[in-house]
Amino acid sequence: DTGVSQDPRHKITKRGQNVTFRCDPISEHNRLYWYRQTLGQGPEFLTYFQNEAQLEKSRLLSDRFSAERPKGSFSTLEIQRTEQGDSAMYLCASSLATGSRETQYFGPGTRLLVL
Amino acid sequence: AQSVSQHNHHVILSEAASLELGCNYSYGGTVNLFWYVQYPGQHLQLLLKYFSGDPLVKGIKGFEAEFIKSKFSFNLRKPSVQWSDTAEYFCAVEKGGGNKLTFGTGTQLKVEL
Repeated sequence: DTGVSQDPRHKITKRGQNVTFRCDPISEHNRLYWYRQTLGQGPEFLTYFQNEAQLEKSRLLSDRFSAERPKGSFSTLEIQRTEQGDSAMYLCASSLATGSRETQYFGPGTRLLVL
Repeated sequence: AQSVSQHNHHVILSEAASLELGCNYSYGGTVNLFWYVQYPGQHLQLLLKYFSGDPLVKGIKGFEAEFIKSKFSFNLRKPSVQWSDTAEYFCAVEKGGGNKLTFGTGTQLKVEL
């Protein structure tokens, strides 16, 4: 399977715990995006990387959230001191950015439930 | 702030009926436009996209969409739906060169036999 993969697919945690999600993009894609989707809503942008560099962060991304893409390949999204409001589907997408035309391909997501 | 509106939240159709799902956006500059589909239990998949040129774009599975710049719209159409088209459909907009996608809230389509 050469698509975007995410791990784990599901995570249940208790409030106050830290969680980390991983995303493996399509090989050779230079951009990697994180989105969050809650019930009844479309995905909302959180942050994105071009290679190793984190180029933009949404105001949705509080100080408890941190994302990395250390070698320009896979990325991790960590949430510290989780809150019930963090319960959502966390989606990763990747793209090969060439000029102004870019298509993002999405992974299956990690569904987080904070109890 | 840029927004994307999908006015139909739930649509129920019989097989062979025609489909049109509305999508309007608020950004006035150059945009790239997308429709994604999420079938039950599956992840978001690209249905079709518009960057420039012919405003009528064709996608997979017989879907098409028309970009009408004056109306800030990018409506999705299919002449004859099938039961297998049951899914949630998302319109997304990217400001030209802006990278991130802004999604609508989605339309849940149910096709009945």
